[in-house]
Amino acid sequence: SQTIHQWPATLVQPVGSPLSLECTVEGTSNPNLYWYRQAAGRGLQLLFYSVGIGQISSEVPQNLSASRPQDRQFILSSKKLLLSDSGFYLCAWSVGGFDYGYTFGSGTRLTVV
Amino acid sequence: LAKTTQPISMDSYEGQEVNITCSHNNIATNDYITWYQQFPSQGPRFIIQGYKTKVTNEVASLFIPADRKSSTLSLPRVSLSDTAVYYCLVGYEKLTFGTGTRLTIIP
Repeated sequence: SQTIHQWPATLVQPVGSPLSLECTVEGTSNPNLYWYRQAAGRGLQLLFYSVGIGQISSEVPQNLSASRPQDRQFILSSKKLLLSDSGFYLCAWSVGGFDYGYTFGSGTRLTVV
Repeated sequence: LAKTTQPISMDSYEGQEVNITCSHNNIATNDYITWYQQFPSQGPRFIIQGYKTKVTNEVASLFIPADRKSSTLSLPRVSLSDTAVYYCLVGYEKLTFGTGTRLTIIP
Protein backbone atom coordinates (compact mmCIF):
# COMPACT_ATOMS: atom_id res chain seq x y z
CA SER A 1 0.00 0.00 0.00
CA GLN A 2 1.01 3.59 -0.50
CA THR A 3 2.37 5.61 2.40
CA ILE A 4 3.64 9.13 2.76
CA HIS A 5 6.23 10.20 5.29
CA GLN A 6 6.83 13.76 6.37
CA TRP A 7 9.30 15.04 8.95
CA PRO A 8 9.94 16.57 11.35
CA ALA A 9 6.58 16.80 13.10
CA THR A 10 7.41 20.07 14.85
CA LEU A 11 10.13 22.61 14.33
CA VAL A 12 11.08 25.88 16.01
CA GLN A 13 13.52 27.98 14.05
CA PRO A 14 14.89 31.50 14.51
CA VAL A 15 14.29 34.21 11.96
CA GLY A 16 16.95 34.17 9.26
CA SER A 17 17.79 30.50 9.67
CA PRO A 18 17.50 27.98 6.80
CA LEU A 19 14.76 25.40 6.45
CA SER A 20 14.55 21.94 4.96
CA LEU A 21 11.41 19.80 5.19
CA GLU A 22 11.36 16.40 3.55
CA CYS A 23 8.54 14.29 2.22
CA THR A 24 8.79 10.79 0.77
CA VAL A 25 6.18 8.53 -0.77
CA GLU A 26 6.28 4.75 -0.86
CA GLY A 27 4.31 2.24 -2.87
CA THR A 28 3.70 4.26 -6.00
CA SER A 29 5.61 5.54 -9.00
CA ASN A 30 5.62 8.95 -10.64
CA PRO A 31 3.18 10.56 -8.22
CA ASN A 32 2.13 14.19 -8.38
CA LEU A 33 3.53 15.84 -5.27
CA TYR A 34 2.33 18.95 -3.46
CA TRP A 35 3.38 21.26 -0.66
CA TYR A 36 0.62 23.12 1.20
CA ARG A 37 0.76 25.59 4.06
CA GLN A 38 -1.99 26.24 6.57
CA ALA A 39 -1.89 29.33 8.77
CA ALA A 40 -3.75 29.16 12.08
CA GLY A 41 -7.50 29.05 11.52
CA ARG A 42 -7.14 29.28 7.76
CA GLY A 43 -7.53 27.01 4.75
CA LEU A 44 -4.71 25.26 2.96
CA GLN A 45 -2.64 27.28 0.52
CA LEU A 46 -0.97 25.42 -2.33
CA LEU A 47 2.72 26.36 -2.44
CA PHE A 48 4.36 24.01 -4.92
CA TYR A 49 3.31 21.30 -7.30
CA SER A 50 5.45 18.70 -9.09
CA VAL A 51 4.55 16.20 -11.80
CA GLY A 52 8.03 14.67 -12.08
CA ILE A 53 11.69 14.80 -11.13
CA GLY A 54 13.02 18.32 -11.42
CA GLN A 55 9.62 19.71 -12.45
CA ILE A 56 8.37 22.27 -9.95
CA SER A 57 5.53 24.74 -10.30
CA SER A 58 5.33 27.59 -7.81
CA GLU A 59 1.82 28.73 -7.07
CA VAL A 60 2.53 31.66 -4.79
CA PRO A 61 5.57 34.01 -4.78
CA GLN A 62 7.28 33.58 -1.45
CA ASN A 63 10.40 33.03 0.54
CA LEU A 64 10.34 29.29 -0.06
CA SER A 65 11.55 26.89 -2.75
CA ALA A 66 10.95 23.25 -3.54
CA SER A 67 12.95 20.51 -5.18
CA ARG A 68 12.28 16.98 -6.34
CA PRO A 69 15.61 15.19 -6.58
CA GLN A 70 14.04 11.72 -6.81
CA ASP A 71 10.72 10.41 -8.07
CA ARG A 72 9.21 9.99 -4.62
CA GLN A 73 11.05 12.70 -2.69
CA PHE A 74 9.88 16.27 -2.32
CA ILE A 75 11.80 18.88 -0.33
CA LEU A 76 10.67 22.31 0.85
CA SER A 77 13.44 24.78 1.61
CA SER A 78 14.21 28.31 2.60
CA LYS A 79 17.53 30.12 2.83
CA LYS A 80 16.30 32.62 5.43
CA LEU A 81 13.09 32.13 7.34
CA LEU A 82 10.69 34.98 8.06
CA LEU A 83 8.19 35.21 10.90
CA SER A 84 5.42 34.95 8.31
CA ASP A 85 6.71 31.50 7.31
CA SER A 86 5.23 30.03 10.49
CA GLY A 87 2.45 27.56 9.87
CA PHE A 88 1.44 23.97 9.36
CA TYR A 89 3.13 22.50 6.30
CA LEU A 90 1.60 19.53 4.58
CA CYS A 91 2.92 17.32 1.82
CA ALA A 92 0.49 15.40 -0.37
CA TRP A 93 0.57 13.05 -3.33
CA SER A 94 -1.80 11.94 -6.02
CA VAL A 95 -1.72 10.00 -9.24
CA GLY A 96 -2.61 11.83 -12.43
CA GLY A 97 -6.10 11.83 -13.80
CA PHE A 98 -9.19 10.74 -11.88
CA ASP A 99 -7.29 9.89 -8.76
CA TYR A 100 -9.81 9.66 -5.94
CA GLY A 101 -8.16 12.56 -4.20
CA TYR A 102 -4.94 13.49 -2.50
CA THR A 103 -3.24 11.65 0.35
CA PHE A 104 -1.68 13.95 2.90
CA GLY A 105 1.23 13.46 5.23
CA SER A 106 1.00 14.12 8.93
CA GLY A 107 2.34 17.66 8.60
CA THR A 108 5.10 19.78 10.13
CA ARG A 109 4.24 22.52 12.59
CA LEU A 110 6.83 25.26 11.95
CA THR A 111 7.21 28.13 14.38
CA VAL A 112 9.62 30.90 13.42
CA VAL A 113 10.74 32.92 16.43
CA LEU B 1 -9.89 27.16 -10.79
CA ALA B 2 -13.53 27.07 -9.74
CA LYS B 3 -14.24 28.88 -6.46
CA THR B 4 -16.35 27.25 -3.79
CA THR B 5 -18.62 28.69 -1.12
CA GLN B 6 -19.66 26.73 1.95
CA PRO B 7 -20.97 27.66 5.41
CA ILE B 8 -18.32 28.71 7.89
CA SER B 9 -19.72 26.58 10.69
CA MET B 10 -22.52 24.17 11.59
CA ASP B 11 -23.70 22.48 14.77
CA SER B 12 -25.59 19.20 15.01
CA TYR B 13 -26.60 16.71 17.66
CA GLU B 14 -25.29 13.19 17.84
CA GLY B 15 -27.28 10.70 15.81
CA GLN B 16 -28.57 13.27 13.35
CA GLU B 17 -27.95 13.35 9.64
CA VAL B 18 -25.82 16.33 8.61
CA ASN B 19 -25.89 17.92 5.19
CA ILE B 20 -23.24 20.43 4.16
CA THR B 21 -23.85 22.25 0.89
CA CYS B 22 -21.17 23.76 -1.29
CA SER B 23 -21.73 26.19 -4.15
CA HIS B 24 -19.45 26.13 -7.19
CA ASN B 25 -21.11 28.16 -9.92
CA ASN B 26 -18.05 28.24 -12.20
CA ILE B 27 -17.33 24.52 -12.26
CA ALA B 28 -15.65 23.39 -15.47
CA THR B 29 -16.59 20.39 -17.58
CA ASN B 30 -13.64 18.27 -16.46
CA ASP B 31 -13.75 19.26 -12.78
CA TYR B 32 -14.49 16.71 -10.09
CA ILE B 33 -16.01 17.54 -6.70
CA THR B 34 -14.09 16.24 -3.72
CA TRP B 35 -14.70 16.50 0.01
CA TYR B 36 -12.08 16.25 2.74
CA GLN B 37 -12.20 16.08 6.52
CA GLN B 38 -9.54 17.63 8.72
CA PHE B 39 -8.95 17.21 12.44
CA PRO B 40 -6.73 19.68 14.35
CA SER B 41 -3.00 19.29 13.64
CA GLN B 42 -3.60 16.59 11.05
CA GLY B 43 -3.60 16.56 7.27
CA PRO B 44 -6.95 16.50 5.47
CA ARG B 45 -8.42 13.09 4.84
CA PHE B 46 -10.29 12.20 1.65
CA ILE B 47 -13.98 11.49 2.24
CA ILE B 48 -15.69 11.21 -1.12
CA GLN B 49 -15.46 12.34 -4.73
CA GLY B 50 -18.00 12.60 -7.51
CA TYR B 51 -18.68 14.05 -10.93
CA LYS B 52 -22.46 13.98 -11.19
CA THR B 53 -25.62 12.49 -9.62
CA LYS B 54 -25.07 10.58 -6.39
CA VAL B 55 -22.06 8.83 -4.93
CA THR B 56 -22.13 6.79 -1.74
CA ASN B 57 -19.39 5.10 0.25
CA GLU B 58 -19.10 3.66 3.73
CA VAL B 59 -18.85 7.05 5.45
CA ALA B 60 -20.83 9.57 3.38
CA SER B 61 -22.99 10.37 0.40
CA LEU B 62 -22.44 13.10 -2.16
CA PHE B 63 -25.38 14.58 -4.04
CA ILE B 64 -24.69 16.56 -7.21
CA PRO B 65 -27.54 18.13 -9.21
CA ALA B 66 -27.62 18.02 -12.98
CA ASP B 67 -26.17 21.52 -13.41
CA ARG B 68 -23.27 20.64 -11.05
CA LYS B 69 -23.24 24.17 -9.65
CA SER B 70 -23.55 22.85 -6.12
CA SER B 71 -23.02 19.67 -4.14
CA THR B 72 -24.15 18.35 -0.77
CA LEU B 73 -22.13 16.15 1.53
CA SER B 74 -24.38 13.99 3.69
CA LEU B 75 -23.07 12.39 6.87
CA PRO B 76 -25.51 9.84 8.32
CA ARG B 77 -25.99 9.55 12.09
CA VAL B 78 -23.06 11.70 13.16
CA SER B 79 -21.08 11.08 16.33
CA LEU B 80 -18.80 13.26 18.42
CA SER B 81 -15.81 12.01 16.43
CA ASP B 82 -17.23 13.68 13.31
CA THR B 83 -16.40 17.09 14.79
CA ALA B 84 -13.93 18.48 12.27
CA VAL B 85 -13.48 20.91 9.41
CA TYR B 86 -14.94 19.78 6.09
CA TYR B 87 -13.62 21.11 2.81
CA CYS B 88 -15.33 21.13 -0.56
CA LEU B 89 -12.97 21.25 -3.53
CA VAL B 90 -13.62 21.51 -7.20
CA GLY B 91 -11.02 20.86 -9.81
CA TYR B 92 -8.83 18.30 -11.46
CA GLU B 93 -5.30 19.04 -10.26
CA LYS B 94 -3.62 21.61 -8.01
CA LEU B 95 -6.59 21.75 -5.69
CA THR B 96 -7.01 24.82 -3.50
CA PHE B 97 -8.61 24.47 -0.09
CA GLY B 98 -10.80 27.26 1.27
CA THR B 99 -11.55 27.77 4.96
CA GLY B 100 -14.04 24.91 5.00
CA THR B 101 -17.02 24.27 7.26
CA ARG B 102 -16.35 23.73 10.94
CA LEU B 103 -18.80 21.04 12.04
CA THR B 104 -19.40 20.67 15.77
CA ILE B 105 -21.32 17.67 17.05
CA ILE B 106 -23.16 18.25 20.30
CA PRO B 107 -23.75 15.38 22.73
